Amino acid sequence: NAGVIQTPRHKVTGKGQEATLWCEPISGHSAVFWYRQTIVQGLEFLTYFRNQAPIDDSGMPKERFSAQMPNQSHSTLKIQSTQPQDSAVYLCASSLGGGVFFGKGTRLTVV
Amino acid sequence: GQQVQQSPASLVLQEGENAELQCNFSSTATRLQWFYQRPGGSLVSLLSNPSGTKHTGRLTSTTVTKERRGSLHISSSQITDSGTYLCAMDQGGSAKLIFGEGTKLTVSS
Repeated sequence: NAGVIQTPRHKVTGKGQEATLWCEPISGHSAVFWYRQTIVQGLEFLTYFRNQAPIDDSGMPKERFSAQMPNQSHSTLKIQSTQPQDSAVYLCASSLGGGVFFGKGTRLTVV
Repeated sequence: GQQVQQSPASLVLQEGENAELQCNFSSTATRLQWFYQRPGGSLVSLLSNPSGTKHTGRLTSTTVTKERRGSLHISSSQITDSGTYLCAMDQGGSAKLIFGEGTKLTVSS
């Protein structure tokens, strides 16, 4: 069990470019979550899926952020027209009703 | 407003001392969960506790749901316990976690 896998670990994009972050949840886990962590805001919930269906995206900035889960083995978080304030560590987590397991995150830097 | 508040923000201990971390939440929570994070490291789940007291190793989690508070007790702290401890709540009907800002623990020899 390799745990939740996130790629890439680090990503640098220019302002206005698009960034796509990938997450492979633990096999068999039905819930997949995306969070964002910054020093100023701490850990913020973005969105989550259950059995691949979007359940709650109340934390997503609606205009430029989107998340998908096309199959049970991966989810993507896409940020269009990235801005410096999008710089953060983006964390993916998965769960099977009990404990929540986090990946190591993708550090996004927008320059 | 802040739904989950943790105190203290930081704590410095000598090796062998006990630590008491507090967590208060502003709305009805189904359960509290405690996580640990090293600088630059991933979040590791420590304990999940809807109410009452749970133990694992040197950790004891106590949750008093009616009073909207919880605590994490670390006994006989070790240098390797240094890091940030985060409290998170989930609310009935939603699996999403709302996190506090964390307590940064530093244990020195």
